Amino acid sequence: ILNVEQSPQSLHVQEGDSTNFTCSFPSSNFYALHWYRWETAKSPEALFVMTLNGDEKKKGRISATLNTKEGYSYLYIKGSQPEDSATYLCARGGRGGGADGLTFGKGTHLIIQP
Amino acid sequence: NAGVTQTPKFQVLKTGQSMTLQCAQDMNHEYMSWYRQDPGMGLRLIHYSVGAGITDQGEVPNGYNVSRSTTEDFPLRLLSAAPSQTSVYFCASSYSRGGSHNEQFFGPGTRLTVL
Repeated sequence: ILNVEQSPQSLHVQEGDSTNFTCSFPSSNFYALHWYRWETAKSPEALFVMTLNGDEKKKGRISATLNTKEGYSYLYIKGSQPEDSATYLCARGGRGGGADGLTFGKGTHLIIQP
Repeated sequence: NAGVTQTPKFQVLKTGQSMTLQCAQDMNHEYMSWYRQDPGMGLRLIHYSVGAGITDQGEVPNGYNVSRSTTEDFPLRLLSAAPSQTSVYFCASSYSRGGSHNEQFFGPGTRLTVL
């Protein structure tokens, strides 16, 4: 079992502030790192899939970076809005493509306070 | 496209009963998988399939069976339900056999309670 750790577990942020959180994962046999956004009563939705060391991806006010050598990824949200409130999941894919599926972290629960 | 659909949305079973959770996708995805979500835990992989006729075990396969007779459908069978199987179950699919390299599309989930 490959442990994927996310920190912090929960986070309260004032509307308009920027924030970031971390995903740590075993760097050996790395294949891909996924970020998902999971709103209450909905299904997880993909934000980013990153595979290369140094990858940076951006979608609107949300961006992510990847360091495969040291085994971490950061997710950044700029100018937080109430609709950003959700649980953010990261997941690591191992070598072998789909053979190993994804190993998910427990998530960071983000609450944006107006 | 309907995406990934799951039925039922809610189910209550008695210990020892069997049932099948249905999952279907209309995106022609080769890769499909089942996860369970428990409080304080991340999503955990139960079984997955890289194409019709091919299935394999994930992290927590005990007590569950799967089959993949068509590209579209990937049912999950509980053979003899136990209270430890009380959970929310998510089905997911992705484009290619390199499942971990492609974003996964999740169904709406099935909330199962075993009494």
